[in-house]
Amino acid sequence: QLQLQESGPGLVKPSETLSLTCGVSGGSFSSSNYYWGWIRQPPGKGLEWIGTIYYGGSTYYNPSLKSRVTISVDTSENQFSLKLSSVTAADTAVYYCARANFYYYYMDVWGKGTTVTVSS
Amino acid sequence: QTVVTQEPSFSVSPGGTVTLTCGLSSGSVSTSSYPSWYQQTPGQAPRTLIYNTNTRSSGVPDRFSGSILGNKAALTITGAQADDESDYYCVLYMSGGIWVFGGGTKLTVL
Repeated sequence: QLQLQESGPGLVKPSETLSLTCGVSGGSFSSSNYYWGWIRQPPGKGLEWIGTIYYGGSTYYNPSLKSRVTISVDTSENQFSLKLSSVTAADTAVYYCARANFYYYYMDVWGKGTTVTVSS
Repeated sequence: QTVVTQEPSFSVSPGGTVTLTCGLSSGSVSTSSYPSWYQQTPGQAPRTLIYNTNTRSSGVPDRFSGSILGNKAALTITGAQADDESDYYCVLYMSGGIWVFGGGTKLTVL
């Protein structure tokens, strides 16, 4: 059964770059049937889509975050990554990675999430 | 910018039926937006309930159903149970490869 696991620093300083990795295990990573994406949830608030990457490398980003976001894949390591630059306290959130179905455009497998706090 | 609208909160009695909706600030929701629905309890990752408007994800009880009602996507829970008390989010797929989450509905079962 496919499992996703987020990893990365839990504390990031303002103006720095947040970097997270999602490890994929128990299933095929290099498949044309899926996107791989990031979603976040600030404390007490709703879910927000950050962006997705297709296995071929095409990326799609939330317009409100596009200037600060980079998502990339490392197929040799079965993982994909998120970089969010110039962070502020508003970027404090639980960050989830997820697999999304290419044909029906929905998230079908989720990681457990990792909390990132932006603070000096 | 596209805004996906959901009722902030809803209440249902145990055994009752409730319909949560998912609309657009401008325009109508159709099957071509591939509406999907997710359930989230505090401290947990979201769980996928419905995709492609009305297809239940594996293991989801048949008391959950999805549809298009008028110009909105809808999630209906028939025979609500106490453990259905959760936050529910819809997601719409927009042109250009963009996903948009609704603000979520907090469902209370009492």
